Amino acid sequence: LAKTTQPISMDSYEGQEVNITCSHNNIATNDYITWYQQFPSQGPRFIIQGYKTKVTNEVASLFIPADRKSSTLSLPRVSLSDTAVYYCLVGEGNDMRFGAGTRLTVKP
Amino acid sequence: GAVVSQHPSRVICKSGTSVKIECRSLDFQATTMFWYRQFPKQSLMLMATSNEGSKATYEQGVEKDKFLINHASLTLSTLTVTSAHPEDSSFYICSVVRGGNTIYFGEGSWLTVV
Repeated sequence: LAKTTQPISMDSYEGQEVNITCSHNNIATNDYITWYQQFPSQGPRFIIQGYKTKVTNEVASLFIPADRKSSTLSLPRVSLSDTAVYYCLVGEGNDMRFGAGTRLTVKP
Repeated sequence: GAVVSQHPSRVICKSGTSVKIECRSLDFQATTMFWYRQFPKQSLMLMATSNEGSKATYEQGVEKDKFLINHASLTLSTLTVTSAHPEDSSFYICSVVRGGNTIYFGEGSWLTVV
């Protein structure tokens, strides 16, 4: 079971790019890397998923180096509404556990 | 659109009573659903895996007789907190896995035991 390590918290300002890195040194060959966003009193929301290299969608990019022992979620031009907790999950479908997550605070 | 729906979103019950939370998979059949518990400012903790047509698998430290899980159909799993106590007050979230590796979560249910 791949354990993940993320910064506990990060602060940013509106309009900036935010990069959140997750370490997962014992990632297994079949494991995918998935990032979720959670607002207070809501269930986590899927942001992006990748296996290797770079993945981009309409809200974020995910950078995964060749050794896959870490990954970086990149949020372009954050707004106040991006203030949330971000979780990095590593594993296969039915075997994903949550780490502590990163509490991102976006300031005006 | 939403993939998973939970009900109720908020519930208050008296200490000693039981309360049921429903989790529905909206547009596909889920043989497996997951139940999490989350205390304020903490991460999600996996409580159990709900298996359609068979017994749920509970994580270590989770009392199976207190948190009854029923997965009677491919679209519905229920979590019943029996003989609830104030310390059971928490945010309960269910999820399903779709496409092999992507988890979709319900909106969550706030339980307050008074």
